[in-house]
Amino acid sequence: EVQLVESGGDLVQPGGSLRLSCAASGFTFSSYWMSWVRQAPGKGLEWVANIKQDESEKYYVDSVKGRFTSSRDNAKNSLYLQMNSLRAEDTAVYYCARLIVLPAPGRFDVWGQGTTVTVSS
Amino acid sequence: DIQMTQSPSSLSASVGDRVTITCRASQSITGYVNWYQQKPGKAPKLLIYGASSLQSGVPSRFSGSGSGTDFTLTISSLQPEDFATYYCQQSYSTFYTFGQGTKLEIK
Repeated sequence: EVQLVESGGDLVQPGGSLRLSCAASGFTFSSYWMSWVRQAPGKGLEWVANIKQDESEKYYVDSVKGRFTSSRDNAKNSLYLQMNSLRAEDTAVYYCARLIVLPAPGRFDVWGQGTTVTVSS
Repeated sequence: DIQMTQSPSSLSASVGDRVTITCRASQSITGYVNWYQQKPGKAPKLLIYGASSLQSGVPSRFSGSGSGTDFTLTISSLQPEDFATYYCQQSYSTFYTFGQGTKLEIK
């Protein structure tokens, strides 16, 4: 079964850091782009980041550039999101998702269950 | 950034109704739009990709159309399990964006 399982969400103070993880199973993780998408409480979906199979390309939404870094360990079938300088507006459920890029268009075909990040003092 | 605007923001309908949700892009995105369904407390689910291609396992009552800037998601005959929030998403740009969502409620 194709599965993504996120972990690492927590309550953190403004300015703090957190590292999210996403464990993949049931497919060849190293063959796929991967992504992070978040959803603030009661709000819509917001794309956060895309990362290529070999990490040679990474893309971020403007609001997290310079603060968040996505990485992956293909040997461990794992995706990560390092979040620094956290702000209240980063409070959200964070989903990892598998990104299909070919054939176009890019689309998220497998999603994890999400992990909750709360930024508050 | 490419903005995606959905209409309506909410919609009330009955089981068996035909429903259409619209998504408009701020610039032409050819056919690079996808549609997702999300139920409360759950992850989104891919329904339609490339404007009109049905994702594997998705019932055929769901269909998509459009190109350029205007796109539609149609549910031909609403079923009880279809009451959810629907999002469009563009991947024409390297920086993806979602519409604000359309909440489909039971009348």
